[in-house]
Amino acid sequence: DIVMTQTPLSSPVTLGQPASISCRSSQSLVHSNGNTYLSWLHQRPGQPPRLLIYKISDRFSGVPDRFSGSGAGTDFTLKISRVEAEDVGVYYCMQMTEFPWTFGPGTKVEIK
Amino acid sequence: EVQLVESGGGLVQPGGSLRLSCTVSGFNLRSHWMNWVRQAPGKGLEWVGNIEHDTNEKQYADSVRGRFTISRDNAKNSVFLQMDSLRAEDTAVYYCATVVPGAVDSWGQGTLVTVSS
Repeated sequence: DIVMTQTPLSSPVTLGQPASISCRSSQSLVHSNGNTYLSWLHQRPGQPPRLLIYKISDRFSGVPDRFSGSGAGTDFTLKISRVEAEDVGVYYCMQMTEFPWTFGPGTKVEIK
Repeated sequence: EVQLVESGGGLVQPGGSLRLSCTVSGFNLRSHWMNWVRQAPGKGLEWVGNIEHDTNEKQYADSVRGRFTISRDNAKNSVFLQMDSLRAEDTAVYYCATVVPGAVDSWGQGTLVTVSS
């Protein structure tokens, strides 16, 4: 199975400041079709997850442009350019390149 | 508006069975892979399995293979998760979600399954 790791696991951030989360996979996420199926999800307390970014850097419909994704192969990053109060919660990376699909452990973002 | 509503959760004894339903609206279920993801209390997300839209081929996580079965009834706009031989470690909120190429894009609110004697 592909193991996903995230750093940090907890991130106190200041409103209006940038934030960054790293995700690493135990093997390359490049699919045989050339796509890389790495996505980012955000979960607020008591809510289901919601999709932010897919295929490394494509923003899902309605996601603010302060969220961006980057990376390749086994190393990926989610960046928030200016953190807003509604951005608190847990962020997960997820790979869909190979079954079983797997998630990272989550990074908890909270306001300082 | 895309909506997914899970139902069927509850308290069940170890070794028992439960059938979850996911009723969808706002999109054509026939065109979508569907999957189930679970989240144990206070823990992260775990993919359970999915069902393809055209072949009805299914994939499962090792932790549930042989005990859980995913099915769908497109005419009833529903997807199901039959859970047998339940264990305490299956206690979780179970989410159904739509799958598009490279993403799990729309999620239901989830239904809680508690396995306990």
